[in-house]
Amino acid sequence: DAKTTQPPSMDCAEGRAANLPCNHSTISGNEYVYWYRQIHSQGPQYIIHGLKNNETNEMASLIITEDRKSSTLILPHATLRDTAVYYCIVRSRQAGGYQKVTFGIGTKLQVIP
Amino acid sequence: GAVVSQHPSRVICKSGTSVKIECRSLDFQATTMFWYRQFPKQSLMLMATSNEGSKATYEQGVEKDKFLINHASLTLSTLTVTSAHPEDSSFYICSAIERGYNEQFFGPGTRLTVL
Repeated sequence: DAKTTQPPSMDCAEGRAANLPCNHSTISGNEYVYWYRQIHSQGPQYIIHGLKNNETNEMASLIITEDRKSSTLILPHATLRDTAVYYCIVRSRQAGGYQKVTFGIGTKLQVIP
Repeated sequence: GAVVSQHPSRVICKSGTSVKIECRSLDFQATTMFWYRQFPKQSLMLMATSNEGSKATYEQGVEKDKFLINHASLTLSTLTVTSAHPEDSSFYICSAIERGYNEQFFGPGTRLTVL
C-alpha cells in the first residue's frame, strides 16, 4: 500500500462541515483512495472510496485532487456520533485478487457540541 | 451489506490458557480473511492473512505457533491465542474479502483480557 499522511487530530463544531485531509503523494495509477472510520472499541467502518473523480454517498463526500496526490473527506454536517478515528488508505482494486489493508495512525476527529 | 461477525465480543482468561476467537462472514463467501490486533491508543496492526484451505501468511514479528489461524471454510476463520499472557491483552479484529471482489469488510472486534 502507498504511504498516506494525515493530521493526528482535528476538532469540528457540531453541525458544521468536517474536512479531513490526506496526502498520498506516491499513489500509483491503479490505486484507489479508501476512507474508513473507527468509533471507540468497534471495528472499522467503510465510508467511501474513489479513483480520480469526486464521490458522494449518504455518509460523506470525497474530493480527490487532479494530480491524485491528496484528498479530502468531507462530512457535511458533523454530529457527535461522527467522533471517531478516520483512516485514509490507498490500495489497488482487482476483482478476484486482493490487497491487504494496512492502517496508519489516522485522524482523531472530535466533534464538539 | 456484507456483515462480518466475531465471537466472543469480550473474553477474560487466566494466564496460560488458550482462547479461540471466531470470525464469520454472514451473508457472503470470504476467500480471504485478515486478523488485526489493536493496542490502546494505537492503530490496527495486521497480524496475518488467511486463505480458505491453505496456511495463513503471518506478518513479520507475529509468532505463528502462538497465534494459530484456521480458515476451514469460506465463511469461518478462527484465531487461537495459545498460552495467553497479559501482554496478549488487546482488541482483535478480523476482516473478510468477498469471493470475486476486493472490498474488505470488518468485524466488530473481540476484546481479550488476560489476567
